[in-house]
Parts: sequence; C-alpha cells; structure tokens
Amino acid sequence: EPEVTQTPSHQVTQMGQEVILRCVPISNHLYFYWYRQILGQKVEFLVSFYNNEISEKSEIFDDQFSVERPDGSNFTLKIRSTKLEDSAMYFCASKAEPVGNQPQHFGDGTRLSIL
Amino acid sequence: AQRVTQPEKLLSVFKGAPVELKCNYSYSGSPELFWYVQYSRQRLQLLLRHISRESIKGFTADLNKGETSFHLKKPFAQEEDSAMYYCALATGGGNKLTFGTGTQLKVEL
Repeated sequence: EPEVTQTPSHQVTQMGQEVILRCVPISNHLYFYWYRQILGQKVEFLVSFYNNEISEKSEIFDDQFSVERPDGSNFTLKIRSTKLEDSAMYFCASKAEPVGNQPQHFGDGTRLSIL
Repeated sequence: AQRVTQPEKLLSVFKGAPVELKCNYSYSGSPELFWYVQYSRQRLQLLLRHISRESIKGFTADLNKGETSFHLKKPFAQEEDSAMYYCALATGGGNKLTFGTGTQLKVEL
C-alpha cells in the first residue's frame, strides 16, 4: 500500500537556523498538508496546499514558515529562523481528491528539536 | 470556529469489556468526521470515517447531529486495541482537519 514518507525522522537544529522538512506524498494525490504536535498537546493544522499554492493556513503559519513543491514528488516545509517553541513533531499528509469525506494519509512524522 | 472535544485523556478497560471513546464537535456546517488511531511509535492511521458507516477492527462510530457527537465504540476490547485515538473534523475548502486532544486507550488483561 502506498505511503507518505517523511525525512529526516529526527532533526536537531540550533535556534535561529533554517530547517527544511521533507515529505513525499502518495503519488496520485493532489492535496498536501502539514500539521504539528507539540509534546503533550494535540495535533494542529499548519497549512494546506493544492495546485501549487497555499489553499489555507493557520495562525501558527506565520512569515517564518513556507511550503514548496519543488519537483513533481517532494513537498517541503521550511522554517526560516527557528525558535525554541518550534520544537514539535511535524506530520505531512496527503489526500487524493478535494472532497471533505476523503481521508488524509499521514507520514511517520519528523521530530524537530530546537536547541 | 470549529472545535473537537475528547473529554477523556485516558481510558482504561479490561480485555473483553465494552469500549466507548467520546467525541463531541462544534461546527456550523455539515460535519465530516473521522477517527484516527496511533499505535505506539507509529503514524496516524485512519480508523473510521462517518460517511462510510463501516466497522473496522470491530469499532463503529455513529454521527449524532442532534448531540453533535461521534463516539467510537467496540463491544469487546482486545489487548491490541491499546493505542491513542483521535477524533477529527474536516472543514474548509482545503478540508483541513481539526483534531481533538486524543484519548489513550489502555486494555488490561
């Protein structure tokens, strides 16, 4: 069964540094998402992406964050200048169709630790 | 704004006992609801969606619009059901998911 893959599984970065988290969505999917989960808290929506542009973003997704689909397969999340509070598990998800009742498929996540 | 509430952080039951994981939602539109499960150190996996009205691994969930609930039920808990369960609501043109805080189900022998 096809899966969403994320790399790296764990990223340790100094505060103030840029970080790029990578995701390969399921190949025929059209909608892509990033979520994050701070330790002990719930999973929170960051951004959705469709047709090479952001379709929706949350308050968390400020100017420090950006997303890109640089080639036909990768979907990246960049944090420009990391802060301590960016430490979290980041999940990528993808979905086949823009229909509400279609499920999103999640990757294993990247644990981001900011020092 | 939409919201999903899972009132129990931890639910502990004995093997063979019935299980009910509670989920309530708040949304002005027509809700699209899901249950996701996360086994230890694994990814979030879709368990159920309300539109399909199916039973997966013995679990069922019925959408009750009057009570704005989507509780997850299983008549006889198994040890392998121990996991974190998240209720989620899809909204907006991009169908973003709003998650509840999750319920840790622990099935004891």
